[in-house]
Amino acid sequence: EVQLVESGGGLVQPGRSLKLSCLASGFTFSNYGMNWIRQAPGKGLEWVASISSSSSYIYYADTVKGRFTISRDNAKNTLYLQMTSLRSEDTALYYCARRKTSPFDYWGQGVMVTVSS
Amino acid sequence: DIQLTQSPSTLPASLGERVTISCRASQSISNSLNWYQQKPDGTVKRLIYSTSTLESGVPSRFSGSGSGTDYSLSISSLESEDFAMYYCLQYATYPHTFGSGTKLEIK
Repeated sequence: EVQLVESGGGLVQPGRSLKLSCLASGFTFSNYGMNWIRQAPGKGLEWVASISSSSSYIYYADTVKGRFTISRDNAKNTLYLQMTSLRSEDTALYYCARRKTSPFDYWGQGVMVTVSS
Repeated sequence: DIQLTQSPSTLPASLGERVTISCRASQSISNSLNWYQQKPDGTVKRLIYSTSTLESGVPSRFSGSGSGTDYSLSISSLESEDFAMYYCLQYATYPHTFGSGTKLEIK
């Protein structure tokens, strides 16, 4: 069974940093592209970042470019999102999701990040 | 960036009714469109990929169609578990973009 479990969320002050993790199981992690998607409270879904299976290709939404870094450790079956210079508008539920040929076939349950003083 | 205009934003409907949700792209996306269902507990599930391919395990009452810039998701006979939020996603180019969502609610 495919499982994606996010962790690392919480309450953080504006301007500070936070690192999210997504532990994958039930499939060969190194064969799949991975992604972060977020949802602000009461809002819709927003794609945040993507990384290819071997980390050769990385893409970011303009709203996070230069502040967030997506990475992965295939030996640990784990996806990461390093978030710096956090703003109130980064407050959201952050999902990790898998991709093969077509995006986002499996999603995690999400982890909440709240940016507030 | 490619914009997706999803409509309606809210769709009141009854059990057994047939409904259709539309998604229009700001430029051609060559069938690179998926549909997702989100339940109130936050669980997200892919229903349809590549415009019209039904995800394994998804009931056949769900179907997708479209081409070019215009796409749609139809549910042939609503069941209670179908009342949820629905989103379209284009992945023709980066940044990938989602539609604004449709809340399917009980009339």
